[in-house]
Amino acid sequence: GQNIDQPTEMTATEGAIVQINCTYQTSGFNGLFWYQQHAGEAPTFLSYNVLDGLEEKGRFSSFLSRSKGYSYLLLKELQMKDSASYLCAVLDSNYQLIWGAGTKLIIKP
Amino acid sequence: NAGVTQTPKFRVLKTGQSMTLLCAQDMNHEYMYWYRQDPGMGLRLIHYSVGEGTTAKGEVPDGYNVSRLKKQNFLLGLESAAPSQTSVYFCASGLAAQETQYFGPGTRLLVL
Repeated sequence: GQNIDQPTEMTATEGAIVQINCTYQTSGFNGLFWYQQHAGEAPTFLSYNVLDGLEEKGRFSSFLSRSKGYSYLLLKELQMKDSASYLCAVLDSNYQLIWGAGTKLIIKP
Repeated sequence: NAGVTQTPKFRVLKTGQSMTLLCAQDMNHEYMYWYRQDPGMGLRLIHYSVGEGTTAKGEVPDGYNVSRLKKQNFLLGLESAAPSQTSVYFCASGLAAQETQYFGPGTRLLVL
């Protein structure tokens, strides 16, 4: 079967750095997405990786290793507004997104 | 640009009742999707469409039907609601399968 694993919950301090990991086993791979979802709201796009390596976008970076079936989202200079769930999703061989259950990130002052 | 809109925002149904959820997008996207989101689980694809007049089954299609008569609208129907269909339903749209999906605000459905 297809599986995406990410930690259920993480806690970090305002101003710090946090890394959210995602491992996947899917039938085929056509890219990996990270979305942010604030409580009670819709998911919004953060990043897309299809090749190995690091993609940097402001305070957020996303890394992919296809050989290891592994990605991480790195958030720097954490702000209170970064408190949200972070969803990892893989585009499989049928070009359908397979979603992880999400990582709830709690930021403490 | 309204993006993706969904109606209604919240609905309570009794078991056996029917209803239709409406999704509309003004971005001229070909692809549209219906997901459900339940606590502790990832988003699960119910049905999707790759263009006007087309529909296809996703991961959890049972108990749902869809129609895409116009490019901008994607309707999700529940013919006979069951308590197991209590969930938050999200519609999304995108230019192509490998492109970013843009989500609507969601519909919270409670089936008693």
